[in-house]
Amino acid sequence: NAGVTQTPKFQVLKTGQSMTLQCAQDMNHEYMSWYRQDPGMGLRLIHYSVGAGITDQGEVPNGYNVSRSTTEDFPLRLLSAAPSQTSVYFCASRTPRGTEAFFGQGTRLTVV
Amino acid sequence: AQKVTQAQTEISVVEKEDVTLDCVYETRDTTYYLFWYKQPPSGELVFLIRRNSFDEQNEISGRYSWNFQKSTSSFNFTITASQVVDSAVYFCALSENNQGGKLIFGQGTELSVKP
Repeated sequence: NAGVTQTPKFQVLKTGQSMTLQCAQDMNHEYMSWYRQDPGMGLRLIHYSVGAGITDQGEVPNGYNVSRSTTEDFPLRLLSAAPSQTSVYFCASRTPRGTEAFFGQGTRLTVV
Repeated sequence: AQKVTQAQTEISVVEKEDVTLDCVYETRDTTYYLFWYKQPPSGELVFLIRRNSFDEQNEISGRYSWNFQKSTSSFNFTITASQVVDSAVYFCALSENNQGGKLIFGQGTELSVKP
């Protein structure tokens, strides 16, 4: 049972480059979300989705785009990478019934 | 507005000591869920416990116990007889009902257990 799969695990980008962080879950969860983790700040919500075709902004959405064309996939796009986006990114999925969120292994992104 | 505060940034204890990690939350919702996650040095997030707002019973799981008190908006986590393997960052998180599954995390407490 794969759970939540994130790719890649590590990535180095140059300022201005774009890329997509992939997230897939095989648990048929309606809710999916992206967080970034920075030292001393916990995890902050970037974008989230309550189902296919529905997305919304979280606390720190600037510089990121998302889409949810299927229940399984929730990619996060960096349009023009900036050093401030250097962080560890986590994707999560859960059901609407208040159960725990299942997290991917994380992507460590460095923007130089 | 919702908020989670973990005032302890770092805690260092010696093995076999008991340690309590504090978590204070703010919410206007009457239905909400509280969580604790562990992040070991390897970086993954490990689910420890979930508690809903209508269940104030304390819970014990082995060396771990949780004290949920709505009167003080706290959900504290105690490790009894700590071990080196407990060294990790611990996050408390809040999820409100009908909010799209969003989790609001505290800043995390880094626990170091020394032999």
